[in-house]
Amino acid sequence: GPKVLQIPSHQIIDMGQMVTLNCDPVSNHLYFYWYKQILGQQMEFLVNFYNGKVMEKSKLFKDQFSVERPDGSYFTLKIQPTALEDSAVYFCASSINTGQLYFGEGSKLTVL
Amino acid sequence: GQQVQQSPASLVLQEGENAELQCNFSSTATQLQWFYQRPGGSLVSLLYNPSGTKHTGRLTSTTVTKERRSSLHISSSQITDSGTYFCAMEGGSGNKLIFGTGTLLSVKP
Repeated sequence: GPKVLQIPSHQIIDMGQMVTLNCDPVSNHLYFYWYKQILGQQMEFLVNFYNGKVMEKSKLFKDQFSVERPDGSYFTLKIQPTALEDSAVYFCASSINTGQLYFGEGSKLTVL
Repeated sequence: GQQVQQSPASLVLQEGENAELQCNFSSTATQLQWFYQRPGGSLVSLLYNPSGTKHTGRLTSTTVTKERRSSLHISSSQITDSGTYFCAMEGGSGNKLIFGTGTLLSVKP
């Protein structure tokens, strides 16, 4: 089936540093999403993105977070600066329209 | 805001038994997906079922839109079915899935 690829699978950084999580969505998909999951907890919506713009973001999407997809390349989530509570697994997803979402395997972020 | 409740929170079965997982949501769903996740693992989409009944392998999902509920039936459970099952729905403006609290399934030999 369609695949969403995420890079890196795991990253360890020191608090205060910047991190960029990369997502390669399904090739003909137009909607992109980021979700956050702290170990053992439910998936929390962060943001969705369409036509070069953020459509909606949750209260978890702090000012330190930003997303972009320059020139149809990776859809990225940048956190600058990182905080301890940003440690989680971040899942990217994409969809062709308002239908089924396809998720990547997640990027585990550990902030020390 | 929209809420998605799943029950039971956890379920322990003997191998071969059937499982019935429930999902209730606070507003009408235009999208409904069931997912499976191993501990610390990736998310696998099981079924996309915004209404009616869908089957794949040993899985059957029934969504009754006007009653704001969906169920996932797993027949003849296997040890490898162990993990967390999430339902997720979209029911408002924008295009985002809201995830439920999950059901942790343990299948014993």
